[in-house]
Amino acid sequence: EIVLTQSPGTLSLSPGESATLSCRASQSVGISYLAWYQQKPGQAPRLLIYGASTRATGIPDRFSGSGSGTDFTLTISRLEPEDFAVYYCHQYGFSTRTFGQGTKVEIK
Amino acid sequence: EVQLLESGGGLVQPGGSLRLSCAASGFTFSSYAMTWVRQAPGKGLEWVSAIHSGDETYYADSVKGRFTISRDNSKDTLYLHMSSLRAEDTAVYYCAKDRRSSTSRVPGEDYWGQGTLVTVSS
Repeated sequence: EIVLTQSPGTLSLSPGESATLSCRASQSVGISYLAWYQQKPGQAPRLLIYGASTRATGIPDRFSGSGSGTDFTLTISRLEPEDFAVYYCHQYGFSTRTFGQGTKVEIK
Repeated sequence: EVQLLESGGGLVQPGGSLRLSCAASGFTFSSYAMTWVRQAPGKGLEWVSAIHSGDETYYADSVKGRFTISRDNSKDTLYLHMSSLRAEDTAVYYCAKDRRSSTSRVPGEDYWGQGTLVTVSS
């Protein structure tokens, strides 16, 4: 099973600042098989990025994904108030999938 | 408009069984893979199971042999039959639609239901 480790656990930032979230895999993940999700309290997750770097429909361009192999990054430039949430990376293995433990982006 | 509506959650005793349903609308249900993801109270997301359009099924090790995913394309409904339930199965269970289709093979759960709470307790 591929283990995804996200860092940092919590990121304290102010609106307008940029956020860099890391997702490291225990084994190589195919570039098409890494996604990022956003979750706000009491809500279902929302797909942000699929294929490591492609924004899902309706996702603002301040969200960007990059990386390959075992290291992936989600960058949020110019944080808006609605961006403060928990972010999860997710890998789609051949027969099993795993989520990272999440990074909470909170208002400083 | 794509909608996913889960039902069937509730309180069940350890060792008991429960069947969750997810009614889908707004898309051609039979053409898409579907997924169950759960979230224990105050915890992160955990992938549970997936079923592809060709009925191939996949499970997390934590539920293999106890949970069964299935779909009824005539009713546009996804199911998760859960048996031998344990306290650690207590969670909100979400169903989600996979965006993969005949034109795109890159996965991602692009639509989610609001979830149904399963509580395993005596």
